[in-house]
Amino acid sequence: RKEVEQDPGPFNVPEGATVAFNCTYSNSASQSFFWYRQDCRKEPKLLMSVYSSGNEDGRFTAQLNRASQYISLLIRDSKLSDSATYLCVVNTNAGKSTFGDGTTLTVKP
Amino acid sequence: SQTIHQWPATLVQPVGSPLSLECTVEGTSNPNLYWYRQAAGRGLQLLFYSVGIGQISSEVPQNLSASRPQDRQFILSSKKLLLSDSGFYLCAWSQVDSYEQYFGPGTRLTVT
Repeated sequence: RKEVEQDPGPFNVPEGATVAFNCTYSNSASQSFFWYRQDCRKEPKLLMSVYSSGNEDGRFTAQLNRASQYISLLIRDSKLSDSATYLCVVNTNAGKSTFGDGTTLTVKP
Repeated sequence: SQTIHQWPATLVQPVGSPLSLECTVEGTSNPNLYWYRQAAGRGLQLLFYSVGIGQISSEVPQNLSASRPQDRQFILSSKKLLLSDSGFYLCAWSQVDSYEQYFGPGTRLTVT
Protein backbone atom coordinates (compact mmCIF):
# COMPACT_ATOMS: atom_id res chain seq x y z
CA ARG A 1 0.00 0.00 0.00
CA LYS A 2 1.33 3.44 -0.89
CA GLU A 3 1.94 5.93 1.92
CA VAL A 4 -0.13 8.55 0.13
CA GLU A 5 -2.85 7.65 -2.35
CA GLN A 6 -4.83 9.81 -4.72
CA ASP A 7 -7.46 9.02 -7.31
CA PRO A 8 -5.53 9.72 -10.54
CA GLY A 9 -8.66 10.77 -12.42
CA PRO A 10 -8.87 12.35 -14.84
CA PHE A 11 -11.71 14.49 -13.61
CA ASN A 12 -13.41 16.19 -16.54
CA VAL A 13 -15.84 18.89 -15.43
CA PRO A 14 -17.62 21.83 -17.08
CA GLU A 15 -16.85 25.41 -16.16
CA GLY A 16 -18.67 26.46 -13.03
CA ALA A 17 -18.81 22.97 -11.57
CA THR A 18 -17.74 22.02 -8.05
CA VAL A 19 -15.18 19.24 -7.83
CA ALA A 20 -13.57 17.50 -4.87
CA PHE A 21 -10.43 15.43 -4.56
CA ASN A 22 -9.45 13.14 -1.73
CA CYS A 23 -6.06 11.95 -0.60
CA THR A 24 -5.49 9.20 1.95
CA TYR A 25 -2.36 8.62 3.99
CA SER A 26 -1.22 5.60 5.95
CA ASN A 27 1.07 7.03 8.62
CA SER A 28 -0.92 8.19 11.62
CA ALA A 29 2.10 10.17 12.85
CA SER A 30 1.87 12.53 9.88
CA GLN A 31 2.10 16.13 11.01
CA SER A 32 1.52 18.52 8.15
CA PHE A 33 -0.35 18.44 4.89
CA PHE A 34 -0.40 20.48 1.71
CA TRP A 35 -1.95 20.68 -1.71
CA TYR A 36 0.22 21.61 -4.69
CA ARG A 37 -0.79 22.40 -8.22
CA GLN A 38 1.33 21.25 -11.15
CA ASP A 39 0.81 22.40 -14.71
CA CYS A 40 1.98 20.22 -17.58
CA ARG A 41 5.78 20.01 -17.69
CA LYS A 42 6.15 22.62 -14.97
CA GLU A 43 7.23 22.57 -11.36
CA PRO A 44 4.68 22.06 -8.56
CA LYS A 45 3.46 25.21 -6.87
CA LEU A 46 2.14 25.41 -3.36
CA LEU A 47 -1.62 25.86 -3.43
CA MET A 48 -2.54 25.73 0.24
CA SER A 49 -1.85 24.21 3.60
CA VAL A 50 -4.36 21.87 5.22
CA TYR A 51 -5.37 22.25 8.85
CA SER A 52 -7.72 20.29 11.08
CA SER A 53 -9.93 23.34 11.29
CA GLY A 54 -10.10 23.60 7.52
CA ASN A 55 -8.57 26.20 5.26
CA GLU A 56 -10.36 28.32 2.68
CA ASP A 57 -8.80 30.52 0.02
CA GLY A 58 -11.31 31.98 -2.39
CA ARG A 59 -12.84 29.15 -4.37
CA PHE A 60 -10.59 26.55 -2.76
CA THR A 61 -11.27 24.73 0.50
CA ALA A 62 -8.98 22.16 2.09
CA GLN A 63 -9.95 19.84 4.93
CA LEU A 64 -8.12 17.34 7.11
CA ASN A 65 -9.73 14.32 8.75
CA ARG A 66 -7.18 12.81 11.12
CA ALA A 67 -9.47 10.04 12.35
CA SER A 68 -9.97 8.69 8.84
CA GLN A 69 -6.52 9.80 7.65
CA TYR A 70 -7.48 11.73 4.59
CA ILE A 71 -7.32 15.25 3.26
CA SER A 72 -9.58 16.82 0.70
CA LEU A 73 -9.57 19.71 -1.73
CA LEU A 74 -12.80 21.32 -2.92
CA ILE A 75 -12.85 23.66 -5.90
CA ARG A 76 -16.00 25.70 -6.42
CA ASP A 77 -17.02 27.50 -9.61
CA SER A 78 -14.29 25.80 -11.67
CA LYS A 79 -12.41 27.90 -14.21
CA LEU A 80 -10.62 26.77 -17.35
CA SER A 81 -7.40 27.92 -15.66
CA ASP A 82 -7.93 25.38 -12.87
CA SER A 83 -7.00 22.59 -15.29
CA ALA A 84 -3.87 21.01 -13.82
CA THR A 85 -2.66 18.10 -11.74
CA TYR A 86 -3.21 18.44 -8.00
CA LEU A 87 -0.70 16.80 -5.69
CA CYS A 88 -1.22 16.14 -2.01
CA VAL A 89 1.80 16.10 0.27
CA VAL A 90 2.12 14.52 3.70
CA ASN A 91 5.00 15.21 6.09
CA THR A 92 5.90 13.01 9.02
CA ASN A 93 8.92 14.96 10.23
CA ALA A 94 11.23 17.65 8.99
CA GLY A 95 12.84 16.89 5.65
CA LYS A 96 10.67 13.94 4.69
CA SER A 97 7.75 14.67 2.44
CA THR A 98 5.70 12.08 0.64
CA PHE A 99 3.84 13.17 -2.48
CA GLY A 100 0.82 11.52 -3.97
CA ASP A 101 0.89 10.70 -7.67
CA GLY A 102 -1.59 13.48 -8.34
CA THR A 103 -5.13 13.92 -9.59
CA THR A 104 -5.63 15.41 -13.05
CA LEU A 105 -8.40 17.94 -13.53
CA THR A 106 -9.62 19.18 -16.88
CA VAL A 107 -12.18 21.98 -16.89
CA LYS A 108 -14.05 22.27 -20.17
CA PRO A 109 -15.98 25.21 -21.58
CA SER B 1 11.84 37.78 -1.96
CA GLN B 2 13.27 34.32 -2.39
CA THR B 3 14.04 32.75 -5.75
CA ILE B 4 15.36 29.37 -6.73
CA HIS B 5 17.30 28.62 -9.87
CA GLN B 6 18.07 25.37 -11.61
CA TRP B 7 20.11 24.63 -14.69
CA PRO B 8 20.16 23.36 -17.26
CA ALA B 9 16.48 23.31 -18.18
CA THR B 10 16.86 20.29 -20.45
CA LEU B 11 19.63 17.78 -20.90
CA VAL B 12 20.20 14.79 -23.16
CA GLN B 13 23.00 12.50 -22.05
CA PRO B 14 24.24 9.08 -23.22
CA VAL B 15 24.23 6.09 -20.90
CA GLY B 16 27.42 5.94 -18.86
CA SER B 17 28.13 9.66 -19.00
CA PRO B 18 28.47 11.82 -15.86
CA LEU B 19 25.84 14.24 -14.60
CA SER B 20 25.91 17.48 -12.67
CA LEU B 21 22.77 19.50 -11.95
CA GLU B 22 22.96 22.70 -9.97
CA CYS B 23 20.43 24.50 -7.82
CA THR B 24 20.85 27.83 -6.07
CA VAL B 25 18.56 29.76 -3.78
CA GLU B 26 18.55 33.52 -3.28
CA GLY B 27 17.01 35.71 -0.62
CA THR B 28 17.19 33.37 2.35
CA SER B 29 19.77 31.88 4.71
CA ASN B 30 20.30 28.32 5.88
CA PRO B 31 17.38 26.83 3.94
CA ASN B 32 16.51 23.17 3.89
CA LEU B 33 17.21 21.93 0.37
CA TYR B 34 15.72 18.97 -1.51
CA TRP B 35 16.23 17.02 -4.72
CA TYR B 36 13.24 15.19 -6.21
CA ARG B 37 12.75 13.13 -9.34
CA GLN B 38 9.46 12.80 -11.14
CA ALA B 39 8.88 10.04 -13.67
CA ALA B 40 6.33 10.67 -16.41
CA GLY B 41 2.79 10.67 -15.03
CA ARG B 42 3.93 10.01 -11.49
CA GLY B 43 4.41 11.84 -8.23
CA LEU B 44 7.63 13.18 -6.84
CA GLN B 45 10.24 10.89 -5.34
CA LEU B 46 12.49 12.46 -2.71
CA LEU B 47 16.12 11.70 -3.52
CA PHE B 48 18.13 13.82 -1.09
CA TYR B 49 17.60 16.52 1.47
CA SER B 50 19.98 18.78 3.34
CA VAL B 51 19.60 20.83 6.51
CA GLY B 52 23.01 22.50 6.24
CA ILE B 53 26.35 22.69 4.47
CA GLY B 54 27.82 19.24 4.05
CA GLN B 55 24.78 17.59 5.63
CA ILE B 56 23.07 15.29 3.14
CA SER B 57 20.46 12.61 3.77
CA SER B 58 19.77 10.06 1.07
CA GLU B 59 16.31 8.63 0.72
CA VAL B 60 16.78 6.22 -2.16
CA PRO B 61 19.89 4.09 -2.79
CA GLN B 62 21.01 4.58 -6.37
CA ASN B 63 23.86 5.81 -8.52
CA LEU B 64 23.16 9.45 -7.71
CA SER B 65 24.84 11.62 -5.09
CA ALA B 66 24.29 15.12 -3.76
CA SER B 67 26.52 17.79 -2.28
CA ARG B 68 25.99 21.13 -0.61
CA PRO B 69 29.25 23.06 -0.91
CA GLN B 70 27.69 26.38 0.05
CA ASP B 71 24.70 27.40 2.15
CA ARG B 72 22.42 28.08 -0.83
CA GLN B 73 23.88 25.71 -3.41
CA PHE B 74 22.79 22.13 -3.92
CA ILE B 75 24.31 19.84 -6.55
CA LEU B 76 23.07 16.50 -7.86
CA SER B 77 25.67 14.27 -9.50
CA SER B 78 26.23 10.91 -11.07
CA LYS B 79 29.40 9.26 -12.29
CA LYS B 80 27.60 7.02 -14.80
CA LEU B 81 24.04 7.58 -15.92
CA LEU B 82 21.57 4.75 -16.45
CA LEU B 83 18.55 4.75 -18.74
CA SER B 84 16.37 4.65 -15.62
CA ASP B 85 17.80 8.01 -14.51
CA SER B 86 15.68 9.79 -17.11
CA GLY B 87 13.08 12.08 -15.57
CA PHE B 88 12.20 15.52 -14.35
CA TYR B 89 14.58 16.64 -11.59
CA LEU B 90 13.30 19.25 -9.20
CA CYS B 91 15.13 21.18 -6.53
CA ALA B 92 13.15 22.70 -3.67
CA TRP B 93 13.80 24.76 -0.58
CA SER B 94 12.02 25.43 2.68
CA GLN B 95 12.62 27.54 5.74
CA VAL B 96 14.25 25.70 8.62
CA ASP B 97 11.08 25.60 10.71
CA SER B 98 8.58 25.09 7.92
CA TYR B 99 7.33 22.20 5.83
CA GLU B 100 6.28 24.45 2.96
CA GLN B 101 8.51 23.70 0.01
CA TYR B 102 9.10 25.89 -3.03
CA PHE B 103 10.34 24.38 -6.24
CA GLY B 104 12.73 25.46 -8.93
CA PRO B 105 11.78 25.20 -12.63
CA GLY B 106 13.33 21.74 -12.93
CA THR B 107 15.68 19.94 -15.30
CA ARG B 108 14.26 17.49 -17.81
CA LEU B 109 16.89 14.76 -18.26
CA THR B 110 16.77 12.20 -21.04
CA VAL B 111 19.34 9.41 -20.96
CA THR B 112 19.79 7.79 -24.35
